Amino acid sequence: DAGVIQSPRHEVTEMGQEVTLRCKPISGHDYLFWYRQTMMRGLELLIYFNNNVPIDDSGMPEDRFSAKMPNASFSTLKIQPSEPRDSAVYFCASSPPSVFYNEQFFGPGTRLTVL
Amino acid sequence: RKEVEQDPGPFNVPEGATVAFNCTYSNSASQSFFWYRQDCRKEPKLLMSVYSSGNEDGRFTAQLNRASQYISLLIRDSKLSDSATYLCVVNMSHDYKLSFGAGTTVTVRA
Repeated sequence: DAGVIQSPRHEVTEMGQEVTLRCKPISGHDYLFWYRQTMMRGLELLIYFNNNVPIDDSGMPEDRFSAKMPNASFSTLKIQPSEPRDSAVYFCASSPPSVFYNEQFFGPGTRLTVL
Repeated sequence: RKEVEQDPGPFNVPEGATVAFNCTYSNSASQSFFWYRQDCRKEPKLLMSVYSSGNEDGRFTAQLNRASQYISLLIRDSKLSDSATYLCVVNMSHDYKLSFGAGTTVTVRA
Protein backbone atom coordinates (compact mmCIF):
# COMPACT_ATOMS: atom_id res chain seq x y z
CA ASP A 1 0.00 0.00 0.00
CA ALA A 2 1.17 3.50 -0.73
CA GLY A 3 2.10 5.60 2.24
CA VAL A 4 1.52 9.30 2.63
CA ILE A 5 2.49 11.07 -0.57
CA GLN A 6 3.86 14.59 -0.64
CA SER A 7 4.82 16.83 -3.51
CA PRO A 8 7.06 18.41 -4.42
CA ARG A 9 9.92 16.74 -2.57
CA HIS A 10 12.10 19.80 -2.96
CA GLU A 11 11.15 23.39 -3.62
CA VAL A 12 13.43 26.36 -4.08
CA THR A 13 11.77 29.71 -4.46
CA GLU A 14 12.46 33.38 -4.03
CA MET A 15 11.19 35.55 -1.24
CA GLY A 16 7.72 36.89 -1.97
CA GLN A 17 6.63 33.98 -4.15
CA GLU A 18 3.66 31.77 -3.39
CA VAL A 19 4.44 28.20 -2.41
CA THR A 20 1.94 25.33 -2.43
CA LEU A 21 2.72 22.01 -0.80
CA ARG A 22 0.56 18.99 -1.46
CA CYS A 23 -0.31 15.88 0.48
CA LYS A 24 -2.26 12.70 -0.18
CA PRO A 25 -2.98 10.80 3.04
CA ILE A 26 -3.22 7.04 3.36
CA SER A 27 -6.59 5.83 2.15
CA GLY A 28 -9.02 5.35 5.02
CA HIS A 29 -7.18 7.67 7.38
CA ASP A 30 -9.41 10.47 8.59
CA TYR A 31 -6.83 12.55 10.46
CA LEU A 32 -4.31 14.66 8.58
CA PHE A 33 -1.51 16.71 10.11
CA TRP A 34 0.91 19.31 8.77
CA TYR A 35 4.23 19.71 10.57
CA ARG A 36 7.28 21.89 10.07
CA GLN A 37 10.78 20.81 11.11
CA THR A 38 13.80 23.06 11.56
CA MET A 39 17.06 22.64 13.41
CA MET A 40 16.21 25.48 15.75
CA ARG A 41 12.62 24.59 16.62
CA GLY A 42 12.41 20.88 15.94
CA LEU A 43 9.13 19.35 14.77
CA GLU A 44 6.12 21.64 15.19
CA LEU A 45 2.49 20.88 14.50
CA LEU A 46 0.99 23.55 12.26
CA ILE A 47 -2.59 22.34 11.77
CA TYR A 48 -4.61 19.16 11.76
CA PHE A 49 -7.84 18.03 10.13
CA ASN A 50 -10.41 15.43 10.99
CA ASN A 51 -12.76 14.30 8.23
CA ASN A 52 -11.55 17.23 6.10
CA VAL A 53 -12.43 19.78 8.79
CA PRO A 54 -9.66 21.86 10.42
CA ILE A 55 -9.66 21.06 14.13
CA ASP A 56 -6.72 23.03 15.46
CA ASP A 57 -4.71 25.63 13.55
CA SER A 58 -3.07 27.22 16.57
CA GLY A 59 0.36 26.23 15.29
CA MET A 60 0.04 28.14 12.02
CA PRO A 61 2.69 30.85 12.38
CA GLU A 62 0.86 33.74 10.77
CA ASP A 63 -1.65 34.77 8.15
CA ARG A 64 0.78 34.02 5.35
CA PHE A 65 0.11 30.32 5.98
CA SER A 66 -3.13 28.63 5.00
CA ALA A 67 -4.19 25.00 4.68
CA LYS A 68 -7.11 23.31 3.02
CA MET A 69 -8.48 19.82 2.72
CA PRO A 70 -11.11 19.82 -0.03
CA ASN A 71 -11.60 16.05 0.15
CA ALA A 72 -10.43 12.97 2.02
CA SER A 73 -7.54 12.30 -0.33
CA PHE A 74 -5.94 15.71 -0.75
CA SER A 75 -4.63 18.60 1.30
CA THR A 76 -2.58 21.69 0.56
CA LEU A 77 -0.45 23.99 2.64
CA LYS A 78 0.11 27.39 1.06
CA ILE A 79 2.55 30.11 1.99
CA GLN A 80 1.95 33.52 0.46
CA PRO A 81 4.19 35.47 0.39
CA SER A 82 7.09 33.24 1.33
CA GLU A 83 10.02 34.48 3.43
CA PRO A 84 13.52 33.06 4.02
CA ARG A 85 12.56 32.10 7.59
CA ASP A 86 9.97 29.70 6.14
CA SER A 87 12.80 27.48 4.93
CA ALA A 88 12.25 24.10 6.57
CA VAL A 89 11.11 20.55 5.94
CA TYR A 90 7.33 20.31 5.88
CA PHE A 91 5.84 16.94 6.74
CA CYS A 92 2.33 15.71 6.22
CA ALA A 93 1.11 12.82 8.37
CA SER A 94 -2.11 10.86 8.58
CA SER A 95 -3.75 8.67 11.17
CA PRO A 96 -6.61 6.17 11.02
CA PRO A 97 -9.87 6.61 12.94
CA SER A 98 -9.69 5.39 16.51
CA VAL A 99 -11.32 5.98 19.86
CA PHE A 100 -7.86 6.39 21.33
CA TYR A 101 -4.85 8.13 19.92
CA ASN A 102 -3.34 6.21 17.02
CA GLU A 103 0.02 6.10 15.25
CA GLN A 104 0.77 8.92 12.85
CA PHE A 105 2.27 7.93 9.49
CA PHE A 106 4.52 10.57 8.00
CA GLY A 107 5.15 11.37 4.38
CA PRO A 108 8.68 11.89 3.06
CA GLY A 109 8.46 15.64 3.50
CA THR A 110 8.95 18.67 1.29
CA ARG A 111 12.26 20.45 1.72
CA LEU A 112 11.54 24.14 1.16
CA THR A 113 14.24 26.73 0.60
CA VAL A 114 13.24 30.37 0.29
CA LEU A 115 16.02 32.58 -1.04
CA ARG B 1 10.12 25.43 29.74
CA LYS B 2 9.70 23.21 26.70
CA GLU B 3 6.88 20.69 26.77
CA VAL B 4 9.21 17.79 25.99
CA GLU B 5 12.94 17.96 26.68
CA GLN B 6 15.62 15.54 25.58
CA ASP B 7 19.37 15.30 25.86
CA PRO B 8 20.43 15.95 22.26
CA GLY B 9 23.51 13.73 22.57
CA PRO B 10 25.18 12.57 20.48
CA PHE B 11 25.62 9.20 22.09
CA ASN B 12 28.48 7.45 20.33
CA VAL B 13 28.59 3.77 21.21
CA PRO B 14 30.34 0.67 19.85
CA GLU B 15 28.40 -2.15 18.29
CA GLY B 16 27.01 -4.48 20.92
CA ALA B 17 26.89 -1.85 23.64
CA THR B 18 23.84 -0.78 25.61
CA VAL B 19 22.73 2.82 25.40
CA ALA B 20 19.98 4.52 27.36
CA PHE B 21 18.55 8.01 27.43
CA ASN B 22 15.59 9.86 28.90
CA CYS B 23 13.21 12.62 28.14
CA THR B 24 11.11 14.73 30.48
CA TYR B 25 7.69 16.19 29.88
CA SER B 26 6.05 19.18 31.51
CA ASN B 27 2.36 18.28 31.64
CA SER B 28 1.52 15.86 34.41
CA ALA B 29 -1.84 15.16 32.75
CA SER B 30 -0.20 13.77 29.63
CA GLN B 31 -2.00 10.75 28.28
CA SER B 32 0.13 8.85 25.80
CA PHE B 33 3.83 8.43 25.20
CA PHE B 34 5.87 7.23 22.25
CA TRP B 35 9.33 6.93 20.82
CA TYR B 36 9.73 7.76 17.16
CA ARG B 37 12.86 7.16 15.12
CA GLN B 38 14.09 9.55 12.45
CA ASP B 39 16.92 8.67 10.10
CA CYS B 40 18.96 11.43 8.51
CA ARG B 41 16.88 13.37 5.97
CA LYS B 42 13.95 10.98 6.39
CA GLU B 43 10.54 11.16 7.99
CA PRO B 44 9.85 10.15 11.61
CA LYS B 45 8.52 6.63 12.12
CA LEU B 46 6.95 5.10 15.20
CA LEU B 47 9.43 2.94 17.07
CA MET B 48 7.23 1.98 20.00
CA SER B 49 4.52 3.16 22.32
CA VAL B 50 5.36 3.50 26.01
CA TYR B 51 3.04 1.90 28.52
CA SER B 52 2.78 2.59 32.23
CA SER B 53 4.13 -0.83 33.12
CA GLY B 54 7.07 -0.53 30.75
CA ASN B 55 7.41 -2.56 27.61
CA GLU B 56 9.95 -4.27 25.41
CA ASP B 57 10.19 -4.72 21.68
CA GLY B 58 13.15 -6.91 20.85
CA ARG B 59 16.29 -5.06 21.87
CA PHE B 60 14.36 -1.92 22.82
CA THR B 61 12.91 -1.27 26.26
CA ALA B 62 10.79 1.75 27.15
CA GLN B 63 9.89 2.90 30.63
CA LEU B 64 7.51 5.54 31.92
CA ASN B 65 7.83 7.26 35.29
CA ARG B 66 4.73 9.36 35.82
CA ALA B 67 5.77 10.57 39.27
CA SER B 68 8.95 12.11 37.91
CA GLN B 69 7.50 12.81 34.48
CA TYR B 70 10.12 11.12 32.41
CA ILE B 71 10.33 8.44 29.75
CA SER B 72 13.34 6.33 28.97
CA LEU B 73 14.55 4.23 26.07
CA LEU B 74 17.17 1.55 26.35
CA ILE B 75 18.78 -0.16 23.38
CA ARG B 76 20.60 -3.42 24.03
CA ASP B 77 23.17 -5.04 21.75
CA SER B 78 23.38 -1.95 19.54
CA LYS B 79 23.56 -2.42 15.79
CA LEU B 80 24.98 -0.07 13.19
CA SER B 81 21.44 0.26 11.87
CA ASP B 82 20.32 1.74 15.19
CA SER B 83 22.14 4.96 14.32
CA ALA B 84 19.40 7.57 14.15
CA THR B 85 17.70 10.36 16.03
CA TYR B 86 15.17 9.19 18.59
CA LEU B 87 12.25 11.51 19.20
CA CYS B 88 10.35 11.47 22.46
CA VAL B 89 6.68 12.16 21.77
CA VAL B 90 3.90 12.98 24.21
CA ASN B 91 0.17 13.39 23.78
CA MET B 92 -0.70 15.97 26.39
CA SER B 93 -4.42 16.28 25.94
CA HIS B 94 -7.50 14.38 24.93
CA ASP B 95 -6.98 15.04 21.26
CA TYR B 96 -4.65 14.00 18.51
CA LYS B 97 -2.00 16.68 19.04
CA LEU B 98 1.48 15.40 19.70
CA SER B 99 4.41 17.25 21.22
CA PHE B 100 7.81 16.19 19.93
CA GLY B 101 11.12 16.49 21.69
CA ALA B 102 14.09 17.78 19.74
CA GLY B 103 15.55 14.30 19.56
CA THR B 104 18.52 12.33 20.88
CA THR B 105 21.11 11.36 18.31
CA VAL B 106 22.67 7.91 18.60
CA THR B 107 25.63 6.83 16.52
CA VAL B 108 26.72 3.20 16.66
CA ARG B 109 30.25 2.59 15.40
CA ALA B 110 31.81 -0.63 14.19
